[in-house]
Amino acid sequence: EVQLVESGGVLVKAGGSLRLSCAASGFIVANAWMSWVRQAPGKGLEWVGRIKSQRDLETKDYAAPVKGRFTISRDDSENTLYLQMNSLKTEDTAVYYCTANLGDFLTFDYWGQGALVTVSS
Amino acid sequence: QSVLTQPPSVSGAPGQRVTISCTGSSSNIGAGYDVHWYQQLPGIAPKLLIYGDSSRPSGVPDRFSGSKSGTSASLAITGLQVEDEADYYCQSYDSSLSGYVFGTGTKVTVL
Repeated sequence: EVQLVESGGVLVKAGGSLRLSCAASGFIVANAWMSWVRQAPGKGLEWVGRIKSQRDLETKDYAAPVKGRFTISRDDSENTLYLQMNSLKTEDTAVYYCTANLGDFLTFDYWGQGALVTVSS
Repeated sequence: QSVLTQPPSVSGAPGQRVTISCTGSSSNIGAGYDVHWYQQLPGIAPKLLIYGDSSRPSGVPDRFSGSKSGTSASLAITGLQVEDEADYYCQSYDSSLSGYVFGTGTKVTVL
C-alpha cells in the first residue's frame, strides 16, 4: 500500500527557512515523479515543484512564485522526499502536500495528509 | 493564480446529474494535454477521481465521468449522493508555464 507522510510543518517568521520531509512507503521514490502541491487557507490547489525519477535524470521544475527560493531533493536510502524552503514570505502560508505520480499520465496519483506551514510577519 | 477556470459552485438534489466545466486555453487543454480531476472532501487531502480526460482509477464509482473538447473539459456526476459533497478541481499541464496547473475549484452541494 502506497503511503506518504509529511512532517516539519511549523510556524516561522518571514525571511526564515524550513525543510519539509515526506516519508514514502509501498513504492520506491527514486522510480517516481514526485511533486509538492500547496493549498493556502480557504484557497485552491497550487503546484509548487516536481522532481523526475532517476531514469528521467531527476530533472527538477518549480512554479514561478517559488523558483529560486524552494528546492526539492530526495534521499533514496531513506525513501524520503524533501522541500527546502528559504526566504519565506507570508504568502507561502499553506498546507503542503507531498504527491507521487506512479503512472503514465501527468497526474498526482497519491497524496500525503499535508503539513501546515505558517509564515508570520 | 489558476489558469483553468471552473464555476465556484454547483448544486443538485440527491439522484440528479450535475456537471462542472473547466475552461483553459491553447497552451494547456487546447494544446492537447490531458485533463484530470480531483475530489477533496472537507478537511482531507485531494484524491484522484478522473485521469486522462475520462478514465477512472480503480475504486471510483462509474457515476463520475469526464470529457474534453477543444479548450474545455467537463466532469459529470450522475445519481448525485450526499457523500459527493466536496470540492472538485481540474488539472492539466501548461506549456507556456512549463508546469502543472489547477482549476479554480468547484464546491458541489447536495440539496
